[in-house]
Amino acid sequence: EPEVTQTPSHQVTQMGQEVILRCVPISNHLYFYWYRQILGQKVEFLVSFYNNEISEKSEIFDDQFSVERPDGSNFTLKIRSTKLEDSAMYFCASRPVWETQYFGPGTRLLVL
Amino acid sequence: DAKTTQPTSMDCAEGRAANLPCNHSTISGNEYVYWYRQIHSQGPQYIIHGLKNNETNEMASLIITEDRKSSTLILPHATLRDTAVYYCIGGDNQGGKLIFGQGTELSVKP
Repeated sequence: EPEVTQTPSHQVTQMGQEVILRCVPISNHLYFYWYRQILGQKVEFLVSFYNNEISEKSEIFDDQFSVERPDGSNFTLKIRSTKLEDSAMYFCASRPVWETQYFGPGTRLLVL
Repeated sequence: DAKTTQPTSMDCAEGRAANLPCNHSTISGNEYVYWYRQIHSQGPQYIIHGLKNNETNEMASLIITEDRKSSTLILPHATLRDTAVYYCIGGDNQGGKLIFGQGTELSVKP
């Protein structure tokens, strides 16, 4: 069964550094999402992406964040200058038309 | 997006049915009820969803009341591997975001 995959599974970075989190959505899906979950807290929506543009973003998704679908298979989340409070699990999700979202296993980001 | 209310935690004996309730009294006519679960810090796993009718798949059954103000997720024969946080979410089927609450922490005990 097709799955959403994410790399890396863990990433440690220094505050102020740029990170790129990568996702490979399921191949026939058209909608793409990023969510995050700070340890012990709820899963929070960051951004949705459809037809090569952002369709919705949350207040968390400020100018430090960007998303891109550089080719036909990858979907990336970039954090330009990481802060301590960006430490979290980041989940990518994708969905086809008229169906539900399927989540990847997540990337655990630790900012020191 | 509909606000949902779930009990914080529940216990269930292994092999028994787990019945997880959810209130969604503000759900609108075109919003579906989605159920996901999260085991430890893994990615949320889709379980089932429905609009008006009861639904069943290989994982679970979903019973939605006629007024659509509440629903119950049923795991017919809970196993230890069903221990997880279960989320009930109201949302559209047109690409909209999912808004997660705190969910119900289900503990399946031997």
